[in-house]
This record gives sequence, C-alpha cells and structure tokens, in this order.
Amino acid sequence: QKEVEQDPGPLSVPEGAIVSLNCTYSNSAFQYFMWYRQYSRKGPELLMYTYSSGNKEDGRFTAQVDKSSKYISLFIRDSQPSDSATYLCAMEETSGSRLTFGEGTQLTVNP
Amino acid sequence: NAGVMQNPRHLVRRRGQEARLRCSPMKGHSHVYWYRQLPEEGLKFMVYLQKENIIDESGMPKERFSAEFPKEGPSILRIQQVVRGDSAAYFCASSPQGDRGLSGYTFGSGTRLTVV
Repeated sequence: QKEVEQDPGPLSVPEGAIVSLNCTYSNSAFQYFMWYRQYSRKGPELLMYTYSSGNKEDGRFTAQVDKSSKYISLFIRDSQPSDSATYLCAMEETSGSRLTFGEGTQLTVNP
Repeated sequence: NAGVMQNPRHLVRRRGQEARLRCSPMKGHSHVYWYRQLPEEGLKFMVYLQKENIIDESGMPKERFSAEFPKEGPSILRIQQVVRGDSAAYFCASSPQGDRGLSGYTFGSGTRLTVV
C-alpha cells in the first residue's frame, strides 16, 4: 500500500467550477501537509502549506486537513483555465525532512 | 535571486555513460533535496544534503548513484553507467537553514535525463 494515495484523474471542469482535490494517507506521523502545482515541463510550485489539522484559505484556494481520517483536500473556487496543471499533495513527518508525494491529479479547466 | 537553478535542463546519455546533474540552491538556503519523477508517477525522494554532509540518503539506489554538496559550488547528483530505467525528470529543492516556518521547499525546473 502506498503511503499517500491520490486519484490521478484526469479531471476536466468548466471555467468557474469549484474543484475538489483529495489525498489519503496511512502514516499517522505526518504533521506537515502541502499542495504543489506543476505545469507541464516545470518544477512543482508550492500553493498551500498547513501544519496539523484545520483549514487554511488563500485567495481562491482552501486547504483542509483531517488527521483523524488521514484525509486532506484542496478546493479551488472560480476555477480558471490558468489553473490547468497537475496538483500534487505532499506530506512530511517533521519540518525539514523528506517529502512524500501523491501521484498527482491532472486538472484541465475549459474556457 | 533566480531561485533554484538546475542544469542542464535536458541531458541525453547513451547506456553505460555517466550523468552529472547540478543544482544551485536559492540564496540563503543551505539544505538541498533531490527527487526523481518517473513517467506517470509522483516525485520520489532520493537524498537530503547540507553543506558537506549527507543527512538522509535512504531514497537513493544503492549502486551507481551518488550525491554531494561541497562547501563551494552546486550540489551534484551523479549517475554512473546509466541504464534506460534511469530516464526521468530529476528535481532539486532547497530550503533555508533551521526553522523553515511554513515556507516550504522551493523546487527547480528539473533536469530531464534521457538514456538511449
């Protein structure tokens, strides 16, 4: 069983839709949770970074962490064609240690 | 500050040759991490280095792969006697020393290695 599971998609939505991306994990030691966006042929770009359980909002993006269910989510409101990319969840046990990534979900937002 | 710099962007090697991938971290960052992304897979951790020290190499294949981060100059990931299965995108990330707060890691644009 993989430590981090993420539906690879692909996911296709119309412009303006609310997008929900999710990851589940099995390692209860994970404390730090991140979402990265990766455009084709580029490196991952940090979108959201949360510690432990709770919600965090940044503009159109909201990250949720539910440690009791070992489940994290990223919501994108009013999605735009420029949001089309692969979204990767990542987790680490302690700050500065290795990251464990999900497979990534490929998102296309159609104009 | 141009961010994390990786070169070359693309590298083609014949089977059996050596590949050397370079990574210059962001200014002020002294921690470097290497990840590999195989086609249709997520990023997999390889090695974590600080200046002149390997902190965690548990993700590195035991043979043919080595990494260094010298006192001066970039971090180098070296793959000896490359095989077709080494074809992948190799990403470097850096972070500042000490408590990172919630600043996360900054990734470079990667080196795409193709073994022919």
